[in-house]
Amino acid sequence: DAMVIQNPRYQVTQFGKPVTLSCSQTLNHNVMYWYQQKSSQAPKLLFHYYDKDFNNEADTPDNFQSRRPNTSFCFLDIRSPGLGDAAMYLCATSTRTIAAGPWFEAFFGQGTRLTVV
Amino acid sequence: AQSVTQLDSQVPVFEEAPVELRCNYSSSVSVYLFWYVQYPNQGLQLLLKYLSGSTLVKGINGFEAEFNKSQTSFHLRKPSVHISDTAEYFCAVSNFNKFYFGSGTKLNVKP
Repeated sequence: DAMVIQNPRYQVTQFGKPVTLSCSQTLNHNVMYWYQQKSSQAPKLLFHYYDKDFNNEADTPDNFQSRRPNTSFCFLDIRSPGLGDAAMYLCATSTRTIAAGPWFEAFFGQGTRLTVV
Repeated sequence: AQSVTQLDSQVPVFEEAPVELRCNYSSSVSVYLFWYVQYPNQGLQLLLKYLSGSTLVKGINGFEAEFNKSQTSFHLRKPSVHISDTAEYFCAVSNFNKFYFGSGTKLNVKP
């Protein structure tokens, strides 16, 4: 059973047209991450939520925003996609509770491949 | 600060041969180390993780890794690879807050 689900798997958007990518999880994890992965590169963390607390990476462009309306869902909004934003976007979750200690791992969705035309 | 270096961007190997994928990390604090595998157009799947205890860690699909603190390494090994192991492998380090990934190693298993 899929535990971290990303929709859609493939997204084509026009240059400058806002686009939203979706992630949902059935794990009830309190941490959710968004990564950007360009071809033949390592996943790059854009931001993460610890519960409702939003944590932005210092080098994440303002063009990228995120929303987490509840524990299960997290959205990535790209306000004005450029050609350089074409990439695979990966959502991940982890749990960081006292019971779990620091021994957590990240669970990844299948990713959304974004094409900008 | 934490960082991960994967020394080989591509590793070609024949089926049934052994393979080692190298990973070195740097960290000023205790670390937790992971290996993930990514098949084409898929997300990342956990192969194994080192948190503490035995330095030899066994994972899924016959893979294992050895944590070497003095050499700050966490190399991934498999004694006999299959065609189905063809994928990209990422080493990652975590400091409790975030995951930092290496640049990946593409393993190409040839018949």
